Amino acid sequence: QQQVKQSPQSLIVQKGGISIINCAYENTAFDYFPWYQQFPGKGPALLIAIRPDVSEKKEGRFTISFNKSAKQFSLHIMDSQPGDSATYFCAASKLGGAQKLVFGQGTRLTINP
Amino acid sequence: DTAVSQTPKYLVTQMGNDKSIKCEQNLGHDTMYWYKQDSKKFLKIMFSYNNKELIINETVPNRFSPKSPDKAHLNLHINSLELGDSAVYFCASSQDMGNDSPLHFGNGTRLTVT
Repeated sequence: QQQVKQSPQSLIVQKGGISIINCAYENTAFDYFPWYQQFPGKGPALLIAIRPDVSEKKEGRFTISFNKSAKQFSLHIMDSQPGDSATYFCAASKLGGAQKLVFGQGTRLTINP
Repeated sequence: DTAVSQTPKYLVTQMGNDKSIKCEQNLGHDTMYWYKQDSKKFLKIMFSYNNKELIINETVPNRFSPKSPDKAHLNLHINSLELGDSAVYFCASSQDMGNDSPLHFGNGTRLTVT
């Protein structure tokens, strides 16, 4: 049972364009939603995160949009650059107890120059 | 100045063998984890330890045995390796157990079982 579903699996965007990756979750107990970025041969690294009390969070070119009623959240990368080419994972976790991040399946993003 | 380091980076072994992966973090974090990333890049938690105490054991076969000699180290020992164990294993750490405490991952150990 996939608790966090991510789409698309792969995405190709032209340099300067907007990259959009979507995630949907099922468990309403989730209350923390991070995005991780992974380059080949490296471990994932936290990019940006959001809690459900806000509908949007922006850090530089990266924005998370959150829709609590639809149980969906998305990552927008503005002015996408070739250096943004990586695999992106959305994730979710519940408040309380030990942290147990549930990851989406990942999106392989390629930015063409 | 590597924050989370794991060794070896690559591990190739035959079915039935026993192997270990070592992990060390120099961030002063209290909590450490092992995650498994399969061939489709799906990441799943295996274990987490907080101050050397096992907190999460995510229905992993008991052939996998984590050991935390101190809060800066979390090693993973695997007995009787099977083909299906082939994956990339990531060690990670976080400041504490809080669910918003960012994970810091190592660069992974690619295990290939032949």
